[in-house]
Amino acid sequence: QVQLVQSGAEVKKPGASVKVSCKASGYTFNTYGINWVRQAPGQGLEWMGWISGYNGDTNYAQKFQGRVTMTADTSTSTAYMELRSLRSDDTAVFYCARDAHADYWGQGTLVTVSS
Amino acid sequence: DVVMTQSPLSLPVTLGQPASISCRSSQSLVHSDGNTYLYWFQQRPGQSPRRLFYKVSNRDSGVPDRFSGSGSGTDFTLKISRVEAEDVGVYYCMQGTHWPPTFGQGTKVEIK
Repeated sequence: QVQLVQSGAEVKKPGASVKVSCKASGYTFNTYGINWVRQAPGQGLEWMGWISGYNGDTNYAQKFQGRVTMTADTSTSTAYMELRSLRSDDTAVFYCARDAHADYWGQGTLVTVSS
Repeated sequence: DVVMTQSPLSLPVTLGQPASISCRSSQSLVHSDGNTYLYWFQQRPGQSPRRLFYKVSNRDSGVPDRFSGSGSGTDFTLKISRVEAEDVGVYYCMQGTHWPPTFGQGTKVEIK
């Protein structure tokens, strides 16, 4: 069965970076992309970007351009999302979801940004 | 970006009664390939989102048939024929026709 398992919660100081992982299983990793979605506390879902599991091509939401990097390691079927220059309003749960159609989701990773 | 507008934002429902959520897009969601990439997600309290429907009305595996999706162009609807306790949560529509994908604000379904 398809599973996306994300890394654990993180606490970071303002200005730091965070790197969240999303390990895929149950399907051929390089045949689907991975989306990243952010959800601030009590708020809705916000699409951050997408990475191809095939060739690593990326497409980022304009809001995160210059501050986010998405990578994929096909040898371990793992996608990564790094967000830099963290601010307090980056405190959120970050989700990975399979492909543009978002048919499977990870369990979410809470990133808390606090001094 | 395409703006997705859901209504209502809060929906108190009596158990066993129907519920309906509207989702409207600022542009037609008909893709050049003829498909309409409109999705519905359910997010139960404390859980990850779960996809219910893809391409407007295609129900995902395991989704009860009391849920239905319909619509075309810019107007879409998610209906629950008889609300059950397990349906409590927030429902989101999302469009994938135009880049970037965008979500509606979410509709919170609760039991009266």
